[in-house]
Amino acid sequence: NAGVTQTPKFQVLKTGQSMTLQCAQDMNHEYMSWYRQDPGMGLRLIHYSVGAGITDQGEVPNGYNVSRSTTEDFPLRLLSAAPSQTSVYFCASRTSGKIYEQYFGPGTRLTVT
Amino acid sequence: GNSVTQMEGPVTLSEEAFLTINCTYTATGYPSLFWYVQYPGEGLQLLLKATKADDKGSNKGFEATYRKETTSFHLEKGSVQVSDSAVYFCALSDLNNFNKFYFGSGTKLNVKP
Repeated sequence: NAGVTQTPKFQVLKTGQSMTLQCAQDMNHEYMSWYRQDPGMGLRLIHYSVGAGITDQGEVPNGYNVSRSTTEDFPLRLLSAAPSQTSVYFCASRTSGKIYEQYFGPGTRLTVT
Repeated sequence: GNSVTQMEGPVTLSEEAFLTINCTYTATGYPSLFWYVQYPGEGLQLLLKATKADDKGSNKGFEATYRKETTSFHLEKGSVQVSDSAVYFCALSDLNNFNKFYFGSGTKLNVKP
């Protein structure tokens, strides 16, 4: 089991560029989420999904898009990167059988200049 | 709304010292409460949880008690080790939506030999 994997580990973008952060899990978990981690602010929920084809917004969804075409993958798209999106991004997943236990990926550190 | 407040770090202790990391929360009703740990270069891992008032969560020598009257969930360990050096996050889950987690800003613990 690889668990939750994220690519890339590091990325530098220029303002206005677009990119997709990849997240995959091999545990057959129904629920997946994206968080951003900023200094002094902890993790904040961006978007989440309760299954293939179903997504919803979290606390800070603006500037990000998601889709969930398969159980395994949950990519996060930045449509037009802004310096305010400089952050560390974490993907997490969990199963309906263990509603409290989230499994986190190792994170992607994104810098927007 | 929901929020979690943690003591600011870093906290620096000598090996075998007693650890307390304070956490208080604001929520409607009685949410579930968690402590997560993040080791360098890794994603967050669930350390312990408590799902109702007066519950005590425990794992790997760490403990935390859900105190409704003081809206607190302080993390304690009687004797820390160098391997406990990490960032610790307090979190709560929304009563109405277990997909929504709210995290504190994290407390970095440094344990010196």
